[in-house]
Amino acid sequence: KAGVTQTPRYLIKTRGQQVTLSCSPISGHRSVSWYQQTPGQGLQFLFEYFSETQRNKGNFPGRFSGRQFSNSRSEMNVSTLELGDSALYLCASSLLQGNEQFFGPGTRLTVL
Amino acid sequence: QQQVKQSPQSLIVQKGGISIINCAYENTAFDYFPWYQQFPGKGPALLIAIRPDVSEKKEGRFTISFNKSAKQFSLHIMDSQPGDSATYFCAASGDFGNEKLTFGTGTRLTIIP
Repeated sequence: KAGVTQTPRYLIKTRGQQVTLSCSPISGHRSVSWYQQTPGQGLQFLFEYFSETQRNKGNFPGRFSGRQFSNSRSEMNVSTLELGDSALYLCASSLLQGNEQFFGPGTRLTVL
Repeated sequence: QQQVKQSPQSLIVQKGGISIINCAYENTAFDYFPWYQQFPGKGPALLIAIRPDVSEKKEGRFTISFNKSAKQFSLHIMDSQPGDSATYFCAASGDFGNEKLTFGTGTRLTIIP
């Protein structure tokens, strides 16, 4: 069974731009969560989607948003990029609303 | 109250030795405690997890010890191998409807020959 896939793997953007990241969960998994990983702040929860509904949201500004499609694929968007948004963005999927979350390889975003 | 504290920040262990990483939590609503292993350039991989109804769980060379009264849990890696060199994260999450993972700060483990 294929794992969680994320595209693109690497992105370079400039301040003020916006970016969309994509995540395809493990086949059959319906819950998708997003996390931001930085050397300074570690791994921080962004939001979680289940059946196209956002169920939980972390403490990030409104510039960070996401959505989930009927096939469980998810996208997250960051608008008006700031230098501090440079991070590894990780997507994790779980079968239902359970706890066992499996991570993808991440998208490395660099904001210049 | 959502914090998970992890120690040590880095750890060097000789091949064949026991690696021990500790975590402590504050939120008594947490009821799921996984450990993740992350190699450079990769996403975290689920290693082993435990729920508070048991005090220990073993899978191969990896063991989680859980102390509910002290609100602490630890990862033991027996017979540590160079291939175990990675960053390890403990995490915690709540029950149904609140499964977001709260992570520790990570431990960089290096196994030396």
